[in-house]
Amino acid sequence: DIVMTQTPLSSPVTLGQPASISCRSSQSLVHSDGNTYLSWLQQRPGQPPRLLIYKISNRFSGVPDRFSGSGAGTDFTLKISRVEAEDVGVYYCMQATQFPGTFGQGTKVEIK
Amino acid sequence: EVQLVESGGGLVQPGGSLRLSCAASGFTFSSYWMSWVRQAPGKGLEWVANIKQDGSEKYYVDSVKGRFTISRDNAKNSLYLQMNSLRAEDTAVYYCARGAMDVWGKGTTVTVSS
Repeated sequence: DIVMTQTPLSSPVTLGQPASISCRSSQSLVHSDGNTYLSWLQQRPGQPPRLLIYKISNRFSGVPDRFSGSGAGTDFTLKISRVEAEDVGVYYCMQATQFPGTFGQGTKVEIK
Repeated sequence: EVQLVESGGGLVQPGGSLRLSCAASGFTFSSYWMSWVRQAPGKGLEWVANIKQDGSEKYYVDSVKGRFTISRDNAKNSLYLQMNSLRAEDTAVYYCARGAMDVWGKGTTVTVSS
């Protein structure tokens, strides 16, 4: 199975400041169909996960534009341009290029 | 409204069985891959299994292979997870999710304990 490794595992951030999370896969996530099935999900406390970004950089419906995704191959990044209070939670990268899919360990974003 | 509602969780003894269900509404269920994802208490997400639209392909995480079976009934807009030979480490909230994980249910809790 593909192993997904996130850094950092915890990210204390000041309101209004940027935050960045890295995700590295143990092998390339480029599918034979040419797509890269790398997604980012947010899980707020006490809630189910929510899709933020799919196929590296596509924001899902209703996701604020302060969230952006980038990367290629095995290295990917989620950036929050200006952290707001509602962004507190755990963020997961996830690959669906090879089934079964796998998640990163999660990165906890909290306010300083 | 697009919705997924899980049910069937509960307390079961080690070695026991449970069948989880996920009722889908508000979208064409038969058009989507579907998945089960679990989250042990205080831990991260783990993809358990997924199934193709017509049920012809199924994939499982190694830790549940041979014990869990994913299935679906497109006529009933329902997804299932049959869990046998349950272990303490299967204790988790189990979520069903649509396709590219764009829709999630609220989850159902499975506790395996004597």
